[in-house]
Amino acid sequence: EVQLVESGGGLVQPGGSLRLSCATSGLSVSSNTMSWVRQAPGKGLEWVSVIYSGGTTFYADSVKGRFSISRDNSKNTLYLQMNSLRAEDTAVYYCARDPGAAPGDIWGQGTMVTVSS
Amino acid sequence: QAGLTQPPSVSKGLRQTATLTCTGNNNNVGNEGAAWLQQHQGHPPKLLSYRNNNRPSGISERLSASRSGNTASLTITGLQPEDEADYYCSAWDSSLNAWVFGGGTKLTVL
Repeated sequence: EVQLVESGGGLVQPGGSLRLSCATSGLSVSSNTMSWVRQAPGKGLEWVSVIYSGGTTFYADSVKGRFSISRDNSKNTLYLQMNSLRAEDTAVYYCARDPGAAPGDIWGQGTMVTVSS
Repeated sequence: QAGLTQPPSVSKGLRQTATLTCTGNNNNVGNEGAAWLQQHQGHPPKLLSYRNNNRPSGISERLSASRSGNTASLTITGLQPEDEADYYCSAWDSSLNAWVFGGGTKLTVL
């Protein structure tokens, strides 16, 4: 069974940093396209970033220059490094396998990030 | 990034048919079509269909998707209580190099 498990969320002050992890089992992060999608409390889904199997990355304008997506193939883990965090980054962050025809067909349970002083 | 347009809410009766719409442009919905996801409160999204009317295994045949120009639609027949959820459309935007989402439609089954 394929599983994605996010971790690393928590409370951080504005301007701070966090690194989210998405541990996978049953699939290879190196041979799949992987995405991060977030959802602010009571709001809709917002795509954040994608990393293709070849290493190409793209970011939403709202996080460009502040967030960085990466992976560790040996650990089969996807990461999202988040710097210069703002209150509007407060959300549940989901990792997902991106099958190419949709932002995600396999999703983790999400990890909550709260940016507040 | 400009998102897709969905009606905020739709209400239909038990066993009726609901059609949800999603409007984009030539760079997203009109290009490669839309995907539809369902989300129940407190749960991650679940993929229902992709590239207009391809359903992952296990998705009910009561759901069907289509596209006309820059507007995608999801039709759910024989509505059941468990269909009550938030529904999101999404499409890859080739001009933005980004997935864009609609704001979501809350489907209420009366």
